[in-house]
Amino acid sequence: DAKTTQPPSMDCAEGRAANLPCNHSTISGNEYVYWYRQIHSQGPQYIIHGLKNNETNEMASLIITEDRKSSTLILPHATLRDTAVYYCIGKTNRDDKIIFGKGTRLHILP
Amino acid sequence: NAGVTQTPKFRVLKTGQSMTLLCAQDMNHEYMYWYRQDPGMGLRLIHYSVGEGTTAKGEVPDGYNVSRLKKQNFLLGLESAAPSQTSVYFCASRAPGLATEETQYFGPGTRLLVL
Repeated sequence: DAKTTQPPSMDCAEGRAANLPCNHSTISGNEYVYWYRQIHSQGPQYIIHGLKNNETNEMASLIITEDRKSSTLILPHATLRDTAVYYCIGKTNRDDKIIFGKGTRLHILP
Repeated sequence: NAGVTQTPKFRVLKTGQSMTLLCAQDMNHEYMYWYRQDPGMGLRLIHYSVGEGTTAKGEVPDGYNVSRLKKQNFLLGLESAAPSQTSVYFCASRAPGLATEETQYFGPGTRLLVL
């Protein structure tokens, strides 16, 4: 698995876009970048993943740099319910397991 | 679909007691996982299984045993509970294959307190 680095915490004003960075400078060519989030006391929830191209779904957008050494998860209009710990993970199709780091604790400010 | 369910939701044990945590999934997933999460920490993988009858060690396997006798169930056992095993335990499952199917689905967690 690629080692990922995330800031321990971030603040974002409600209604604004939340941009969560992740560095994965050692990612290999066949490793996908996955994002999960964990709302307090609940099990983690899948958000989005990507390989090379930018991705968007109903929850978020994922921007991956051209050299694939970093990515940004974007929550376009953050709400208080987006307060959670966000995990960035690198994983290939052949990896049996996902190893979670400490993630970024996102605080949405009213 | 109930997804991933965990039993019990909460348990208090005395040091030295044993117990089994049950994880069940109704999505016909091949892979299942047990994680623990200590306060303010990320999830750490205890054991996992890539199919019925198989198990493998994760990051922190000591003090735990697992069994996968049926595809839909993954059991986590504590033979002699210790206070250091006080934690929240999460189970997860997924269907391996294409990256689009690699999403892990998590249960609601089991809160274990060992006195």
